Amino acid sequence: NAGVMQNPRHLVRRRGQEARLRCSPMKGHSHVYWYRQLPEEGLKFMVYLQKENIIDESGMPKERFSAEFPKEGPSILRIQQVVRGDSAAYFCASSVGQGDTEAFFGQGTRLTVV
Amino acid sequence: AQRVTQPEKLLSVFKGAPVELKCNYSYSGSPELFWYVQYSRQRLQLLLRHISRESIKGFTADLNKGETSFHLKKPFAQEEDSAMYYCALSYSSASKIIFGSGTRLSIRP
Repeated sequence: NAGVMQNPRHLVRRRGQEARLRCSPMKGHSHVYWYRQLPEEGLKFMVYLQKENIIDESGMPKERFSAEFPKEGPSILRIQQVVRGDSAAYFCASSVGQGDTEAFFGQGTRLTVV
Repeated sequence: AQRVTQPEKLLSVFKGAPVELKCNYSYSGSPELFWYVQYSRQRLQLLLRHISRESIKGFTADLNKGETSFHLKKPFAQEEDSAMYYCALSYSSASKIIFGSGTRLSIRP
């Protein structure tokens, strides 16, 4: 089991472009979480998804951000029209079940908006 | 609202000294509490959870519902303990995991 895989590890985008961050959960995991880490800050919850369902998106900005976890393929966090303030490390985690089970983290994608 | 507070951004102690990383939470129900650790250039990983009552790498954490705390302790710090530590909370009704802002532990030789 290769663990949670995130790609790319580093992503540079110009202001106004789109950023797509991918997360492949661990084998057998059907729950995915996305977190954002700004410099010198902790992990901020963004969204929690199960296959084909968004369970909790209370941490997602209302505009420009969206997430999906299709039946086949990785989970995608999409940021449209990126701005400098979107520069951060984005972490994905997966688990087999609900919140009382261990979440396994990917190595993160560092997004830099120039 | 549910919240996890780690009051110390940085904690620096000498090797062999006791360590205590503070964590307080706010949640009216019965939460699950965790400590996650991130060593340099490695991914975040679970260190321990209160439900298992284990000691991992010499670390223990006791859930104190009266003080709503889940402090992480180790009697004798080792250099390899230097890392970023995150306290986290989850609750079955919502399933998301809420993290504190993290404490960077630095062990001086």
